[in-house]
Amino acid sequence: GQQLNQSPQSMFIQEGEDVSMNCTSSSIFNTWLWYKQDPGEGPVLLIALYKAGELTSNGRLTAQFGITRKDSFLNISASIPSDVGIYFCAGRAAAGNKLTFGGGTRVLVKP
Amino acid sequence: GAGVSQSPSNKVTEKGKDVELRCDPISGHTALYWYRQSLGQGLEFLIYFQGNSAPDKSGLPSDRFSAERTGGSVSTLTIQRTQQEDSAVYLCASSLGTPGGGQETQYFGPGTRLLVL
Repeated sequence: GQQLNQSPQSMFIQEGEDVSMNCTSSSIFNTWLWYKQDPGEGPVLLIALYKAGELTSNGRLTAQFGITRKDSFLNISASIPSDVGIYFCAGRAAAGNKLTFGGGTRVLVKP
Repeated sequence: GAGVSQSPSNKVTEKGKDVELRCDPISGHTALYWYRQSLGQGLEFLIYFQGNSAPDKSGLPSDRFSAERTGGSVSTLTIQRTQQEDSAVYLCASSLGTPGGGQETQYFGPGTRLLVL
């Protein structure tokens, strides 16, 4: 079946740093979504991408839909403490309604 | 309501018992999804309802899992004869409609944390 590899699995950030994470797929997707999940809550949609090559921003967040349609990345610029949480990528193939989720990137604050 | 609600928020049960998890989607949303999230893992698709169409049950891990959606609104996920490996957070999401543009955005509830002892 379809699989999404998300990396890194975890990262430490220092306030003000830019961070980046990505997802790669074994098959083509026609939609890429990025979610953030805070402890004890459900995921919240950050950015949705619908076309190959599309670059979309939401505040300090920027995500791109890879040209090959098999990958996507999310950048967070000038990170702040409330950016901590788990970020998930999700993709939808051309046929069907199911989302396939990556394993998540856990963003933590450097001690 | 303003968002997707789920109940109970936490459930502890004994191995072998049946459990029912409830999801109230956002009013007017025709699509409803159930996912399972094990500790520290991503979301695993379980089942999808869209309007009056037959549900997509392809993600259900075994025949102990079933779900129904009454009246196109509230949904119940039932796990029969629970096993310890069923312990996870069960998340429900709803969306306005089928994929395509903004209508596919899924809004998640807070989840039900199930612990099977």
